[in-house]
Amino acid sequence: QSALTQPASVSGSPGQSITISCTGTSSDIGSYNLVSWYQQHPGKAPKLIIYEVSKRPSGVSNRFSGSKSGNTASLTISGLQAEDEADYYCCSYAGSTTFVLFGGGTKLTVL
Amino acid sequence: QVQLQESGPGLVKPSETLSLSCTVSGYSISSGYYWGWIRQPPGKGLEWIGNIYHSGSTYYNPSLKSRVTISVDTSKNQFSLKLTSVTAADTAVYYCARDGGYDTLTAYYKVAGWFDPWGQGTLVTVSS
Repeated sequence: QSALTQPASVSGSPGQSITISCTGTSSDIGSYNLVSWYQQHPGKAPKLIIYEVSKRPSGVSNRFSGSKSGNTASLTISGLQAEDEADYYCCSYAGSTTFVLFGGGTKLTVL
Repeated sequence: QVQLQESGPGLVKPSETLSLSCTVSGYSISSGYYWGWIRQPPGKGLEWIGNIYHSGSTYYNPSLKSRVTISVDTSKNQFSLKLTSVTAADTAVYYCARDGGYDTLTAYYKVAGWFDPWGQGTLVTVSS
């Protein structure tokens, strides 16, 4: 099964809000509330920032929020800060054959 | 807190077997959760390799299943990855991580695809 589809890049100015989309199918995002998002800075391991569509792990800023509609999940970052510049990956449970799918990643640039 | 650390050779020859271990501290693997391997080729995205439960139950990426074996050693609080017949396309940073899936209704751990925490990752290069 193909990876989830994310835009290659997005950008925004400090203080603004941006949204990153993650499009799957009815076999993955559309069927399960098991979408997660990861932030990855260069040379570092990914960090979980959203799980189960919209839940934030302890310690993650409430500027990060997640949602889902149909086969598309979204990550919104409000009040953009310079430290938010990173790569972002979505991930979804995809059933008992494929199990886990990642998106191709989105590079966020803070202008 | 829970910490994971990958270890293993950083260089593997083509057609040989890549072997890595992940040592978990701060949590007993036998207590629950699935434990996974994820890789990232240089400059590319993340790819899930597979998950294992302390009972030995495994789930693999269908595209890698024929070459992958994940095993667990609860006495060492470790789980391991073997990938056979490697090529240059298997060059990547390999991460181990805990899958946080848990069904509160059934009280069963499950593969959910949300990983936290992660190890720091280890670069494995396939080259002669």
